[in-house]
Amino acid sequence: AQSVTQLGSHVSVSEGALVLLRCNYSSSVPPYLFWYVQYPNQGLQLLLKYTSAATLVKGINGFEAEFKKSETSFHLTKPSAHMSDAAEYFCAVINSNSGYALNFGKGTSLLVTP
Amino acid sequence: DAGVTQSPTHLIKTRGQQVTLRCSPKSGHDTVSWYQQALGQGPQFIFQYYEEEERQRGNFPDRFSGHQFPNYSSELNVNALLLGDSALYLCASSYMTANTGELFFGEGSRLTVL
Repeated sequence: AQSVTQLGSHVSVSEGALVLLRCNYSSSVPPYLFWYVQYPNQGLQLLLKYTSAATLVKGINGFEAEFKKSETSFHLTKPSAHMSDAAEYFCAVINSNSGYALNFGKGTSLLVTP
Repeated sequence: DAGVTQSPTHLIKTRGQQVTLRCSPKSGHDTVSWYQQALGQGPQFIFQYYEEEERQRGNFPDRFSGHQFPNYSSELNVNALLLGDSALYLCASSYMTANTGELFFGEGSRLTVL
């Protein structure tokens, strides 16, 4: 089954600095990949998704991710961090063995400091 | 347009008891999936309901069961609760024929088992 690995359970950046959250996938078929964000005490919200169209995917709130097949990566970036970006971020891939269920990574907690 | 709604938001049970969680999908959605999110972990797929039938199931024991009603709402039942069942239970809805894997999540029901 397809899976994702998120590198770094905690990432801290200064306000205005580049945000880079890492995700690598494992899949024997072309993957559908997602980034979700979870703010404290809330459910998950879709940031962006890759479905084999353009390799650079733009999402909400200024986030984007680039699909790199050669590196089996789908890292999430944002040029300039805002305090409001502090949240838990999850990378996910569709599990073809379970219909369209998602396999999530363990998450990366983003801290933004003033 | 109402999003995914879940009830109750919080509940406390003791070991051996049974619990029922409820979910109303986003308007227009016909598929409901349930995920378990343990503290500090990513969501884990429990099962998916479509046309009032369980279509896919993750690696969860039979103590976890569900139901979908004609109006597409859904229930998650957990019998013989264990301490390890303490988690945030997330409901997600989607439109089956879209087949994109994009899910809309509710804010979850936080279950504490004592």
